[in-house]
Amino acid sequence: DAMVIQNPRYQVTQFGKPVTLSCSQTLNHNVMYWYQQKSSQAPKLLFHYYDKDFNNEADTPDNFQSRRPNTSFCFLDIRSPGLGDAAMYLCATSRDWGIGGRLAEAFFGQGTRLTVV
Amino acid sequence: AQKITQTQPGMFVQEKEAVTLDCTYDTSDPSYGLFWYKQPSSGEMIFLIYQGSYDQQNATEGRYSLNFQKARKSANLVISASQLGDSAMYFCAMNSVETSGSRLTFGEGTQLTVNP
Repeated sequence: DAMVIQNPRYQVTQFGKPVTLSCSQTLNHNVMYWYQQKSSQAPKLLFHYYDKDFNNEADTPDNFQSRRPNTSFCFLDIRSPGLGDAAMYLCATSRDWGIGGRLAEAFFGQGTRLTVV
Repeated sequence: AQKITQTQPGMFVQEKEAVTLDCTYDTSDPSYGLFWYKQPSSGEMIFLIYQGSYDQQNATEGRYSLNFQKARKSANLVISASQLGDSAMYFCAMNSVETSGSRLTFGEGTQLTVNP
């Protein structure tokens, strides 16, 4: 059973045209993350939500925004996609914030591969 | 600051043989966790194994084991009896509540290819 679901799996968007990626979870986890992963690189954390509290990473461009209307859903909005934003976008969840050990495990969705043309 | 280093961009192994993927880490926190994830070409990140900094024994999960050497700050993943389906990217990651809350810091990954 899928626990973290990302839609769509593949997204093609035009340069400069706003695009939204979606993520839903059935785990009832408090924390949701968005990672950007470019080809052959490590995932890079863009931001996370702890419940309704939004937390931006210091180097995340303003072009990236996020919404979490409820526990289950989280959206990634790219306001004006550039060619450099083509990447795999991974959504993940974890049970809570500020906990360590095995409980800090992140559960990932299958990712959305974004192409900018 | 935390840092994970994976020095092997690519590794090759024959089917049914064992392989070790290297991971070293750097942190000043006494309490931390180490994770290994597998990422097939389809993209999803699959959790493999976890090791806590205070765990006395090396973690094992089926064919996966973690060679944890705390003094050397290394957490190498050992895959025994490799299978063709093990071909994937492997990421080492760490978390330390004191430094980073629950966020994971990832290494650059190792691409493993299992040859028949």
